[in-house]
Amino acid sequence: GDSVTQMEGPVTLSEEAFLTINCTYTATGYPSLFWYVQYPGEGLQLLLKATKADDKGSNKGFEATYRKETTSFHLEKGSVQVSDSAVYFCALSDPGNAGKSTFGDGTTLTVKP
Amino acid sequence: EPEVTQTPSHQVTQMGQEVILRCVPISNHLYFYWYRQILGQKVEFLVSFYNNEISEKSEIFDDQFSVERPDGSNFTLKIRSTKLEDSAMYFCASRERSGGSPLHFGNGTRLTVT
Repeated sequence: GDSVTQMEGPVTLSEEAFLTINCTYTATGYPSLFWYVQYPGEGLQLLLKATKADDKGSNKGFEATYRKETTSFHLEKGSVQVSDSAVYFCALSDPGNAGKSTFGDGTTLTVKP
Repeated sequence: EPEVTQTPSHQVTQMGQEVILRCVPISNHLYFYWYRQILGQKVEFLVSFYNNEISEKSEIFDDQFSVERPDGSNFTLKIRSTKLEDSAMYFCASRERSGGSPLHFGNGTRLTVT
């Protein structure tokens, strides 16, 4: 079945540091890939997505590139802010599977001033 | 921007009692889901619902669970006889179409079973 493996956390960085959160996946077919972010007390929100190989999703300074050859979708940001502190989830959605999304375990990011 | 709304935000119930968690998905969305999250981490799929029937369900979604879309707007999750291990945050989500469109999540219902 489909699975998503995400870099274990928690991750603690200083403000303006570079962020990478690794994500790899296993899926049948050609999934769409997503990063969601969850702030305390809230539901998950879409951060960015990519629907085919070599697509780059970007939003709020975050980027991730759909790498089919390495089955990866690593999240990066060049300069993190305190307000980026949240839990980040990598997810895939298989078009042939009723659109069900499979999530990684989540990575907690804390950014210190 | 349209959003998914869930009620109540927090539900406390005794073991063995029935609970109904309610959701109003975004109005033009076609696919509906329930997920749960334990201890603020892993997001677990429970069930997907399309065209007024269950599309897929996980092993977690046993005979104690059921879903309904009774009136074309609400989407409910019922747990018939709650267990301590059902304590979790339950999220409703919807998407406009399958596959490449993202999930839109509600803010969740925190279920506490005592």
